[in-house]
Amino acid sequence: KAGVTQTPRYLIKTRGQQVTLSCSPISGHRSVSWYQQTPGQGLQFLFEYFSETQRNKGNFPGRFSGRQFSNSRSEMNVSTLELGDSALYLCASSLSTGSTEAFFGQGTRLTVV
Amino acid sequence: TQLLEQSPQFLSIQEGENLTVYCNSSSVFSSLQWYRQEPGEGPVLLVTVVTGGEVKKLKRLTFQFGDARKDSSLHITAAQPGDTGLYLCAGAPNTGNQFYFGTGTSLTVIP
Repeated sequence: KAGVTQTPRYLIKTRGQQVTLSCSPISGHRSVSWYQQTPGQGLQFLFEYFSETQRNKGNFPGRFSGRQFSNSRSEMNVSTLELGDSALYLCASSLSTGSTEAFFGQGTRLTVV
Repeated sequence: TQLLEQSPQFLSIQEGENLTVYCNSSSVFSSLQWYRQEPGEGPVLLVTVVTGGEVKKLKRLTFQFGDARKDSSLHITAAQPGDTGLYLCAGAPNTGNQFYFGTGTSLTVIP
């Protein structure tokens, strides 16, 4: 079966703009989590969605938001982009909230200039 | 604050050598995962351990979860160039899907 699909793979944006990233989880998986990966901070948890509801949220400013649709697909949005938002954004798919396993997509590489 | 500390941070070894990567924390985890990530790609799940003291083997890779569920180790026997990558441990402190990732170990296996 298909894995986790993230689009787009690469994105270049200008400071102050906003961006929307998309994630389609593995078929049948209902939990989607988002992570930010940077060389300095490593992988950091942004938020988790399950059944269209945000279940957990990491320590990121309100400029970072997300949502989940009834088909479990998820989007994350970053508004008023800053240079420090440049990172690899990863989406993880799990069968349910409370699962012990997460399967990652290839990520979206966001560069803010 | 990093909940999970990995050591070493970098490792460069010759093909055929053995190595061990450590993942330590002062926190207890309900489960712990190991991933391998290649440049520009997402992490790929290698194994999940859930029971204190559990040992799992995946071909040349042996994973162990500490008795107190606070630490873990990954041992690779007879490393091969294909083992090159960033190894990440990740722990779930509760039943939610918020995983805390370790600092990572970058492994290079030289042919």
